[in-house]
Formats: sequence, structure tokens, C-alpha cells
Amino acid sequence: QVQLVESGGGVVQPGKSLRLSCEVSGFTFRSYSMHWVRQAPGKGLEWLAVMSSDGSHTFLADSVKGRFTISRDNSKNTLHLQLNSLTEEDTAFYYCARERPYSSVFDYWGQGTLVTVSS
Amino acid sequence: DIQMTQSPSTLSASVGDRVTITCRASQSVSIWLAWYQQKPGKAPKLLIYDASSLESGVSSRFSGSGSETDFTLTISSLQPDDFATYYCQQYNSYSGTFGQGTKVEIK
Repeated sequence: QVQLVESGGGVVQPGKSLRLSCEVSGFTFRSYSMHWVRQAPGKGLEWLAVMSSDGSHTFLADSVKGRFTISRDNSKNTLHLQLNSLTEEDTAFYYCARERPYSSVFDYWGQGTLVTVSS
Repeated sequence: DIQMTQSPSTLSASVGDRVTITCRASQSVSIWLAWYQQKPGKAPKLLIYDASSLESGVSSRFSGSGSETDFTLTISSLQPDDFATYYCQQYNSYSGTFGQGTKVEIK
């Protein structure tokens, strides 16, 4: 069955960096565009980034452009999100999500990984 | 950027009630609108896509309608398992902007 498992979250000081990973199984990873979405505690969902199936196209939300980088390793079925210059406003659960081809909805999500930015 | 506005933010209802949540886009998104359900501590779950298509495995008491800028999610007869937060999402542009969410609470 389709599974997405995020990892790499934790407690980090302001200004530091963190790299999140999303390892997938149960589908042909290289055929799907993938997204990152975050949710601050008690708040709504915020779309962050997308990478095309072959990695040739990426888009990031204005709120994280220049600080976050999305990447993927299709040989390892893994999506990454590099978080730099973190601030307390980046404290959130970070989810990866699969984009359904020809529809663009997010049909499968991981369980999320919590990033806490605190001094 | 396309902005999505949901109403109401919170909705109190009883089991068996018919519930309607609305979502408005700041510009046309055609039919490229999805609805998700999220329960505490869980990832969102896709309910409706392309404005009115029911995701496989989702109860038929959920339905969606609308196009362009105005959309509706309806739960025909609210069940105990339906108390959750619901989000709309546009995917007309490369970014998948979400609405702010509607929490459906027990009355």
C-alpha cells in the first residue's frame, strides 16, 4: 500500500538549519510530483513547495522562498526539504503529499514530522 | 496569489444535521477545487476533488458543488465520525492554496 513517512524533525535553535525527508513506498515515486505542506500548532494548512516527478521544476511559497529548498532522489524514493535560517514562525508539523497525475490533488499524505524552533 | 476563504470558521451541529461549508476563491479556479477532512493529530484526508468528484472509499453523504469562485461542501446527515476540521484547496495554480478551515463541532 501507499506509504509516505516523514523524518528529520526536532527542536532547533533560531537561525539554524534542518533537513526533512519523506520516504515513500507502494508506488512508482519517479512518476509523481510531490509537495510539502506545513501546519503550525492549532492553525491551518500552508502549502510550501512542489517538485515535479523528474525534479526539473520546483516552486516554493513566497513565505519560504530563499530559505527552504525542495529536492528529491528518485533512486532512493525520497523527497527532501532543506530548512535554513529558521525562525519561531517555522514551528509546525511538516507533511509531504503525493500529487495525483492529471488532477493535481494531494491524494496521499504522510503522518507529519514536527519542527520546533526555540532558543 | 489565489486566496481561499472558507465560512463559517466554526460550525456547531448535531448528529443527523445537514451541514454546508462554503469556500470562495479570490479569482476563478475553474473546477480545480478539493475538500479535505482533518482530525486531531492526523494528516488531512481527501474527500472531494475537481469540485464535485467523490474520492474512492469516501461516504456518499459527502458531496461538493460549485465552479469558478464559489464552492460548497455538503454533509447530508452528520455522523459522529464527521466531527473534524474541513479545508478547501485550489489547485488551479502550481501552488495548492488552502482555505483557513472550518471546524465542525458537536452541538
